[in-house]
Amino acid sequence: AQTVTQSQPEMSVQEAETVTLSCTYDTSESDYYLFWYKQPPSRQMILVIRQEAYKQQNATENRFSVNFQKAAKSFSLKISDSQLGDAAMYFCAYRIKAAGNKLTFGGGTRVLVKP
Amino acid sequence: NAGVMQNPRHLVRRRGQEARLRCSPMKGHSHVYWYRQLPEEGLKFMVYLQKENIIDESGMPKERFSAEFPKEGPSILRIQQVVRGDSAAYFCASSPGLANTGELFFGEGSRLTVL
Repeated sequence: AQTVTQSQPEMSVQEAETVTLSCTYDTSESDYYLFWYKQPPSRQMILVIRQEAYKQQNATENRFSVNFQKAAKSFSLKISDSQLGDAAMYFCAYRIKAAGNKLTFGGGTRVLVKP
Repeated sequence: NAGVMQNPRHLVRRRGQEARLRCSPMKGHSHVYWYRQLPEEGLKFMVYLQKENIIDESGMPKERFSAEFPKEGPSILRIQQVVRGDSAAYFCASSPGLANTGELFFGEGSRLTVL
């Protein structure tokens, strides 16, 4: 079975500090996308960052960056200069290119930001 | 440019009743996905549809659940004879097709409560 594991149910970070969320996945495929989605209390799923498996360079979007280790099947998210608005559930997900656009999600990590 | 629209946002049903959840994809999107989120869990894939076709229903329970995406009108997720275990948030997502970056655009979800 193809799975996504987020081992940290909850992470707490001080405003302006940095927090790293871990994600590991298990697939035998070699061509896929990886994503981090944010789900604030409004419950809307918002795409934070995307990585293509064949690209070695780690993706970056403003204060969000990833550490993609393909051999280890690891895809961690770093939030720098944390802001109160970053407080949310964060979900790691992947999509196998040959399997349509079906996303497989991890169980989520709740991020708390302390002022 | 409206995003993915889901209604109702909240639905309360008694055991044995039927629940119908509707989803209008983003303009220009022809692919629709339904996901279910149980409390404190990640999203679980249910079904993937294109206009008038079910492409992948591997995540749908075998009984009581059905989905359609007619040529005209929204996609419908139908749950017959609801039970308490059906209480969850149901998310719809859409995409323009397979030849894209893999991102799904999510609606705000429909929260079903079964009494």
